[in-house]
Amino acid sequence: EPEVTQTPSHQVTQMGQEVILRCVPISNHLYFYWYRQILGQKVEFLVSFYNNEISEKSEIFDDQFSVERPDGSNFTLKIRSTKLEDSAMYFCASSPLHRGGIGGEKLFFGSGTQLSVL
Amino acid sequence: GQQLNQSPQSMFIQEGEDVSMNCTSSSIFNTWLWYKQDPGEGPVLLIALYKAGELTSNGRLTAQFGITRKDSFLNISASIPSDVGIYFCAGSNAGGTSYGKLTFGQGTILTVHP
Repeated sequence: EPEVTQTPSHQVTQMGQEVILRCVPISNHLYFYWYRQILGQKVEFLVSFYNNEISEKSEIFDDQFSVERPDGSNFTLKIRSTKLEDSAMYFCASSPLHRGGIGGEKLFFGSGTQLSVL
Repeated sequence: GQQLNQSPQSMFIQEGEDVSMNCTSSSIFNTWLWYKQDPGEGPVLLIALYKAGELTSNGRLTAQFGITRKDSFLNISASIPSDVGIYFCAGSNAGGTSYGKLTFGQGTILTVHP
């Protein structure tokens, strides 16, 4: 069964450093997302991406964050200058979009990248 | 922003028991979804609900989309040890640019004792 893959599974970085989290969405999906989950808390939307541009972003997704689809398969999240409060599990997700818009909200999540900022 | 209140926060049950959990919102959602998260994994979609009043089953799981569109429940019948995990409700108002922007509840931690 096709799945969303994320690398690395764990990332430790120093405060102020740049990190890039990588994802390979399911190949025939059209919408891509990043969500995050701080330990013990709920999953929160960060950004959605469609047709090579950001569709929507949350308040969390400030100027320190950026997303890119550098080629036909990868989808990346970059944090320019990490802060302690960026420590969280970051999930990539993708969804199909059928005619009429049905299915777009059926997200398939990767296993996540645990980011620890020291 | 929209908030989802999920209850209970945690449940400890015996294998074979039925489980019920629910989710309420102060505002309307067009779609309700239920996800399960195992430790160290991402959420996995269990059930998606698209119409107010809709009742949908997936094996031992049954979920309903409330008539007011502000609530949903999930039932698990005859629980088994592999049902252990965190169950999240999520709401969506898909359309325009908002496909896939889900608002998640806080989760219900389910523990099943053999």
